[in-house]
Amino acid sequence: KQEVTQIPAALSVPEGENLVLNCSFTDSAIYNLQWFRQDPGKGLTSLLLIQSSQREQTSGRLNASLDKSSGRSTLYIAASQPGDSATYLCAVMEGNDMRFGAGTRLTVKP
Amino acid sequence: NAGVTQTPKFRVLKTGQSMTLLCAQDMNHEYMYWYRQDPGMGLRLIHYSVGEGTTAKGEVPDGYNVSRLKKQNFLLGLESAAPSQTSVYFCASRQGVGYTFGSGTRLTVV
Repeated sequence: KQEVTQIPAALSVPEGENLVLNCSFTDSAIYNLQWFRQDPGKGLTSLLLIQSSQREQTSGRLNASLDKSSGRSTLYIAASQPGDSATYLCAVMEGNDMRFGAGTRLTVKP
Repeated sequence: NAGVTQTPKFRVLKTGQSMTLLCAQDMNHEYMYWYRQDPGMGLRLIHYSVGEGTTAKGEVPDGYNVSRLKKQNFLLGLESAAPSQTSVYFCASRQGVGYTFGSGTRLTVV
C-alpha cells in the first residue's frame, strides 16, 4: 500500500525567505506526482504536475523535483510572500487513484 | 464558470440520519471522485467512477454509497450517519492528468 509522507507538518518563515517542502512515498511505481495548494475552507488547486519520466517542473517562483528511485519529491518556493501562506499537499497517482500526504501548513510572516 | 460544484457546503446530521451529497461538473470529464479529509490525515478516497453508470470502491468505502446515473453528476450517500463520518468531503473530476476539485462539504454528525 502506497504511503505518502510530508515533512514538516507546519512551517513558519519570514517574508522573502526561500524554502523547501518535502514529500516521500513508499512505492516508486507511480504515474505522476502533483503538488496542490489548499487555502482554508477551500478546495485544492493544482500547482505543478511531474510525470514519472520527468525530473522537475517549474512555474514562476515554484520548482518541484521528483526522484522516483529514492521515493522523494521537493517543492521549492523562492522569495516567499505572505500570499503563499496555505497548506501544500503532494499526491502520487497510481492506477485510477491518487494518494495524498497530510500536507505542510506554511505561514509566511510579513 | 466551468468547474466542480458541491452541495450543500455545510450540514449537521444526527446519528442515524441519512443524506446525499451532490457533485456536479460541467467539463464533460469521465472520471469523478469522492474524498474525505480529516485533520492530520490528508485526503482519502471513498469511491470513484470512471464513467457514466460505473462506480468503484476506494480506500475507505464503508458506510457510503455512490451513484453516477448521469455523466455530470456523482452522488455520495450516507445511509445511517455515524460520528466517525464527521469530516470535510471533496469531490473531484478528471480528464487526462488534470484534476479539478470542488470547494468541499463540511459535515458534522452529532
